[in-house]
Amino acid sequence: NAGVTQTPKFQVLKTGQSMTLQCAQDMNHEYMSWYRQDPGMGLRLIHYSVGAGITDQGEVPNGYNVSRSTTEDFPLRLLSAAPSQTSVYFCASRPFDRVLNEQYFGPGTRLTVT
Amino acid sequence: SQQGEEDPQALSIQEGENATMNCSYKTSINNLQWYRQNSGRGLVHLILIRSNEREKHSGRLRVTLDTSKKSSSLLITASRAADTASYFCATRPQGGSEKLVFGKGTKLTVNP
Repeated sequence: NAGVTQTPKFQVLKTGQSMTLQCAQDMNHEYMSWYRQDPGMGLRLIHYSVGAGITDQGEVPNGYNVSRSTTEDFPLRLLSAAPSQTSVYFCASRPFDRVLNEQYFGPGTRLTVT
Repeated sequence: SQQGEEDPQALSIQEGENATMNCSYKTSINNLQWYRQNSGRGLVHLILIRSNEREKHSGRLRVTLDTSKKSSSLLITASRAADTASYFCATRPQGGSEKLVFGKGTKLTVNP
């Protein structure tokens, strides 16, 4: 299994540009989520999904859109990039278990918005 | 807002020493988890402790949970240079929430 994969690894955008960060998992996990990690802030939840067709907002959803058309994929869209979105983005997945929820993380996408 | 807060923010020790990191949280939880992040990499799950457990071991890791004080500690015994990383606690709040809320992390440096 490849686990959780993310593309691209690095990206530089200009303010106002849009782009999609890709995330895929091959473990048949129902739950997928996107986090951003900023220095001194830990990980903050952006959006999450408990299954295909179901998404919900996390702690910092503004400026980001998600959709979940398949179990495997959970792309994150930046509609109009802003310098405040410069961050490292992590995608994670886990089985939909009511008790155990160990998450598996992708390697991250480092995004710079100029 | 952040649920977990790790303490200390940074810790530097010598190889062979024990490292202890603490985590405090605010609301009732279903479980608490610890993750490790090597520089520039994704997070890796280390250990999970349920709210009805008080202590758990995994290799050189020992985790304790005190729900009355809303705190947990992670002990790494006989540390190695390879243990150098940031360590995060994450909590799953009670009430059916599917979210996992992370703290800001403790940066551990183990000097050879």
